[in-house]
Amino acid sequence: KNEVEQSPQNLTAQEGEFITINCSYSVGISALHWLQQHPGGGIVSLFMLSSGKKKHGRLIATINIQEKHSSLHITASHPRDSAVYICAVSDYMGGSQGNLIFGKGTKLSVKP
Amino acid sequence: NAGVTQTPKFRVLKTGQSMTLLCAQDMNHEYMYWYRQDPGMGLRLIHYSVGEGTTAKGEVPDGYNVSRLKKQNFLLGLESAAPSQTSVYFCASSNHRDRPNEQFFGPGTRLTVL
Repeated sequence: KNEVEQSPQNLTAQEGEFITINCSYSVGISALHWLQQHPGGGIVSLFMLSSGKKKHGRLIATINIQEKHSSLHITASHPRDSAVYICAVSDYMGGSQGNLIFGKGTKLSVKP
Repeated sequence: NAGVTQTPKFRVLKTGQSMTLLCAQDMNHEYMYWYRQDPGMGLRLIHYSVGEGTTAKGEVPDGYNVSRLKKQNFLLGLESAAPSQTSVYFCASSNHRDRPNEQFFGPGTRLTVL
């Protein structure tokens, strides 16, 4: 069983729709990361959170530590949001160097 | 600041050839990482380094070697390339003082082994 599971694997939406991508994990973590990978390949960090909720523009990330679950929401989606969204968790405890454990990603396509 | 850079961006090798991928960062980060990304799989850690002169194995280290002679550079070597090493390789770095650490990624190197 994968330690980080994302759903759905693929998602197609119409421009303007509200989008939710889910991430569940099975290990103890110090933080959860949401990353974005555009078709060109580059990976950028969107959020790093260990509790509650964070918002940046039209993107909102939430985490429930007790349930080991996080969601990434995109409001008023736009074709430029089309990308692969990757969930990762920081396995940092004590002397660990904070290696990340990655989900397989969710491929989002937003149609105009 | 350039952030994290990788060279080359693309490479095609024949089975048995060797090559070195270079990762450079200008953020004075202690930690550096090499990952590979394959279709249908999440990023997997090959090797990492927590400081100049130190390296450690990750999840999938076989067939690869690394060196961190300078703090800003992390080299990934393939001594005898195999088709199974066809992948996209990403380098990342992070600041060890941040807890937890955010990783900054390079643009990737697409490697094909024929």
